[in-house]
Amino acid sequence: NAGVTQTPKFQVLKTGQSMTLQCAQDMNHNSMYWYRQDPGMGLRLIYYSASEGTTDKGEVPNGYNVSRLNKREFSLRLESAAPSQTSVYFCASSEGGTGREKLFFGSGTQLSVL
Amino acid sequence: AQSVTQLGSHVSVSEGALVLLRCNYSSSVPPYLFWYVQYPNQGLQLLLKYTSAATLVKGINGFEAEFKKSETSFHLTKPSAHMSDAAEYFCAVSDPGFQKLVFGTGTRLLVSP
Repeated sequence: NAGVTQTPKFQVLKTGQSMTLQCAQDMNHNSMYWYRQDPGMGLRLIYYSASEGTTDKGEVPNGYNVSRLNKREFSLRLESAAPSQTSVYFCASSEGGTGREKLFFGSGTQLSVL
Repeated sequence: AQSVTQLGSHVSVSEGALVLLRCNYSSSVPPYLFWYVQYPNQGLQLLLKYTSAATLVKGINGFEAEFKKSETSFHLTKPSAHMSDAAEYFCAVSDPGFQKLVFGTGTRLLVSP
């Protein structure tokens, strides 16, 4: 019972490099999310996908792009990494639609941009 | 826009003492409210949620929270702290209609023997 799987778990980038964070869920959920967690700021929503084929900006989308590849997978891309993007990134999923569902989180990706 | 405020970035209690973690919300419509817990090096897990049924909500691991509309609060309590409760706790709010949570800044609970 894998739930939400994120890869990689750790990554170090140099400023200007690009990378893609991968996320997959096996619960047949409609909605998926990317959050970043920074000390003293809680979790902030980067992008979300309410359903397969749709994506929308969250609170802090600048510098990121996303792709909802299919119902299972939702990737986050940093085209030109900046030190301000050093953070812990969490992918999450939910059945979606009513606002009352539980979010299921992956174990996170710790990203450092030097 | 919805928001939550968690008072106190750190709360320290002794094992066996009452745990009280504070959360106040702001929402233009009756909200859905959640408490999530994050253990070290893990993702968040749902502790409990309020979705306009009973105002006193019981969650996992002996935690409960009471929705008080007049105070716009949803404080988390546990009668007796265990060492295993040491973690970071997040309050979150969403509007009915879509599961786009807004999280508070978190409260780290420290439990001493």
